[in-house]
Amino acid sequence: SQQGEEDPQALSIQEGENATMNCSYKTSINNLQWYRQNSGRGLVHLILIRSNEREKHSGRLRVTLDTSKKSSSLLITASRAADTASYFCATDRDSGTYKYIFGTGTRLKVLA
Amino acid sequence: DVKVTQSSRYLVKRTGEKVFLECVQDMDHENMFWYRQDPGLGLRLIYFSYDVKMKEKGDIPEGYSVSREKKERFSLILESASTNQTSMYLCASSSAKGGRSEKLFFGSGTQLSVL
Repeated sequence: SQQGEEDPQALSIQEGENATMNCSYKTSINNLQWYRQNSGRGLVHLILIRSNEREKHSGRLRVTLDTSKKSSSLLITASRAADTASYFCATDRDSGTYKYIFGTGTRLKVLA
Repeated sequence: DVKVTQSSRYLVKRTGEKVFLECVQDMDHENMFWYRQDPGLGLRLIYFSYDVKMKEKGDIPEGYSVSREKKERFSLILESASTNQTSMYLCASSSAKGGRSEKLFFGSGTQLSVL
């Protein structure tokens, strides 16, 4: 089963609005990462948050992590049509291996 | 910038053929990964390698093998391709410096169709 589960599966918003995506996971982690995938292409790393961090910012991206609830959220502010993509969370296992477990993703569509 | 290059963008093979998917990274990364991506299932780990000639099974290794003879190259091998191996295959690499897992760099993917 997938370690990370994103919610919602699909999201459609107007340009300029904020988009929020959530990720839940099941086991302890060292870090959680968010990736973006444009249609039919490889994934691009957006942001990494470690288990001892609660919030992180990068440009228009804001990520929060709640280890007690085993959940994370990705907020994209002032969205643009170019933000249209699928977004995935990925978690590592706390055993220190390099196996990253990906969720099934949230498909974001930003309408111009 | 790190570059992860997958040898083919699209590939069409016949059932029973032996298929090689090649991946090369140029940043001296220790770790390399092969994932497959299917609609509704997200990315699933097939194999990963943490050093030359070292490999570990991921979550769905059946029907696949891998080879890592040089640090920069990680090959995925389908010994006898089957239609259920039609998928998008993604290669990734990451640094293992400091013993902490770091972000993954992905190739553009290979869309494999097995007929």
